[in-house]
Amino acid sequence: GAGVSQSPSNKVTEKGKDVELRCDPISGHTALYWYRQSLGQGLEFLIYFQGNSAPDKSGLPSDRFSAERTGGSVSTLTIQRTQQEDSAVYLCASSSRRSGANVLTFGAGSRLTVL
Amino acid sequence: TQLLEQSPQFLSIQEGENLTVYCNSSSVFSSLQWYRQEPGEGPVLLVTVVTGGEVKKLKRLTFQFGDARKDSSLHITAAQPGDTGLYLCAGTNTNAGKSTFGDGTTLTVKP
Repeated sequence: GAGVSQSPSNKVTEKGKDVELRCDPISGHTALYWYRQSLGQGLEFLIYFQGNSAPDKSGLPSDRFSAERTGGSVSTLTIQRTQQEDSAVYLCASSSRRSGANVLTFGAGSRLTVL
Repeated sequence: TQLLEQSPQFLSIQEGENLTVYCNSSSVFSSLQWYRQEPGEGPVLLVTVVTGGEVKKLKRLTFQFGDARKDSSLHITAAQPGDTGLYLCAGTNTNAGKSTFGDGTTLTVKP
């Protein structure tokens, strides 16, 4: 597609439920990133996929968080047993890394609210 | 862990004023990006700087990368209400892969 697409745009769930957030990156982009952003704050790195390499999971805050990227394209971020502190906007970005400089194209984000 | 500190965190000015936002780190980066984010949207790239001492201009915006590639600044001349938004700097090292983001500067330009 022309840009990075994320779904759902908004998700309200109850504490303890599992949620899945989806990201469709730009076609041909080999790198995919997930970040988390609290209201008006900077971006907290969660996980990074680059081609067929093992993902960099160093930013995942707990083992309730996991992500996968199928076929080198679509990615799903899963949060199990959600907690209120998981409420945030989850941003996905992709990059071609052709130029060497890491220029990210972001989706509009998925806003998660845990009641 | 590479950290980027942005200052100020919040800035509220009148239309027509000038402003500078700073992005500082103790780490060296191979490249640094500035993004602007509006409510309900993802960040959008403004500029990439890769060479120490580099200065780039984008209309009323001037970006500078420090000589040691540890810091950067964004200067806006004659700010307009359309400049309102969250400004984020991000540093990258080629081998690290992921970009490290600062906490952002929220700019409000009042008409």
